[in-house]
Amino acid sequence: QQPVQSPQAVILREGEDAVINCSSSKALYSVHWYRQKHGEAPVFLMILLKGGEQKGHEKISASFNEKKQQSSLYLTASQLSYSGTYFCGTDGGSQGNLIFGKGTKLSVKP
Amino acid sequence: NAGVTQTPKFRILKIGQSMTLQCTQDMNHNYMYWYRQDPGMGLKLIYYSVGAGITDKGEVPNGYNVSRSTTEDFPLRLELAAPSQTSVYFCASSRLLTGELFFGEGSRLTVL
Repeated sequence: QQPVQSPQAVILREGEDAVINCSSSKALYSVHWYRQKHGEAPVFLMILLKGGEQKGHEKISASFNEKKQQSSLYLTASQLSYSGTYFCGTDGGSQGNLIFGKGTKLSVKP
Repeated sequence: NAGVTQTPKFRILKIGQSMTLQCTQDMNHNYMYWYRQDPGMGLKLIYYSVGAGITDKGEVPNGYNVSRSTTEDFPLRLELAAPSQTSVYFCASSRLLTGELFFGEGSRLTVL
């Protein structure tokens, strides 16, 4: 039931774009995205709900394809501060127990 | 506001010892969670609670116990510690079902 993230790791130069994918084998009610920097706790980025709109925050946005049970996180014009590990969390709509993927490590170089 | 507070931040245990990781939140959230994070393995849900007096198992509950006597506190008990429980433990809370998770700073536990 753990969602699958791809790629596992990506290296970018400042200003480049990246897409991180998250897919599940079960029907989804919501998809969460978090970013974690080394040695710190995960920090919330956004939630996408079934039937909801695509979310966005500055240069980070995400989409949710309910039929394909997939979500994608889009990072445009990446900045050094975007470096970290990105996790998607999925919820099947039962009791709110969020299950996370293994993460995608993003490194942004000058 | 302090948010979610975990103690201790670091702890070394010997095999077979027991301990309790404390977690308290001051946001009046009904939902609380315990996750463990092993290197490269993401976050695994251990237990969660939807309100005082109600707890349920997550993905990896074996070797752990929880209680939720108040809205604020959600302690995690490790009985008979094993090396496989060496990990970083995160407590989190949320206001809504499937809402934004607010994480504590984490507790790094080593079992030798």
